[in-house]
Amino acid sequence: EAQVTQNPRYLITVTGKKLTVTCSQNMNHEYMSWYRQDPGLGLRQIYYSMNVEVTDKGDVPEGYKVSRKEKRNFPLILESPSPNQTSLYFCASSLYAGPRGEAFFGQGTRLTVV
Amino acid sequence: GQNIDQPTEMTATEGAIVQINCTYQTSGFNGLFWYQQHAGEAPTFLSYNVLDGLEEKGRFSSFLSRSKGYSYLLLKELQMKDSASYLCAVSHNYGQNFVFGPGTRLSVLP
Repeated sequence: EAQVTQNPRYLITVTGKKLTVTCSQNMNHEYMSWYRQDPGLGLRQIYYSMNVEVTDKGDVPEGYKVSRKEKRNFPLILESPSPNQTSLYFCASSLYAGPRGEAFFGQGTRLTVV
Repeated sequence: GQNIDQPTEMTATEGAIVQINCTYQTSGFNGLFWYQQHAGEAPTFLSYNVLDGLEEKGRFSSFLSRSKGYSYLLLKELQMKDSASYLCAVSHNYGQNFVFGPGTRLSVLP
């Protein structure tokens, strides 16, 4: 089954404790991206990757890191989480960026930083 | 910068037709997408428009006017399961970035 898998689904952590949210897709998609979703603000792009070893900042990259060592995986790293990073996070992939680039989303990760 | 506007909330009756508007300002426009998102779930793709005009897909249609920076999603024969948020998204920067609007929460009443 074609899918985007994120882990964990729910995470509560403390300020400053490094964490990684994993994202994996099995569709051989080139384009992957991370979003955060907050009430009233909608989905905002954090980072995106056009292909292996090619990553770039989205609209809200501060406090986040990503890597794309393999085509299927695109982990999101919070080196020193802070309470303002409490949010619902989505990973998405598409065959390629641009027209006809329908995005498939993971199930979401609800992160709480206390 | 990029800016996308949608109404915050809409209400309609089962069996009716509803039109959700989206206006945008962006550079390097590459396409406009509509997604549906039920509460607590991931967004799912509905439609996309690259050229001006109407794209029809069953009960859902989407329209684009690039010169006006305007799109709408038309939902016909509304069903209770259509109660969800509808997200307008623009692909810009020659396809590298997606920007999502704030979403329109649609409530379908019996």
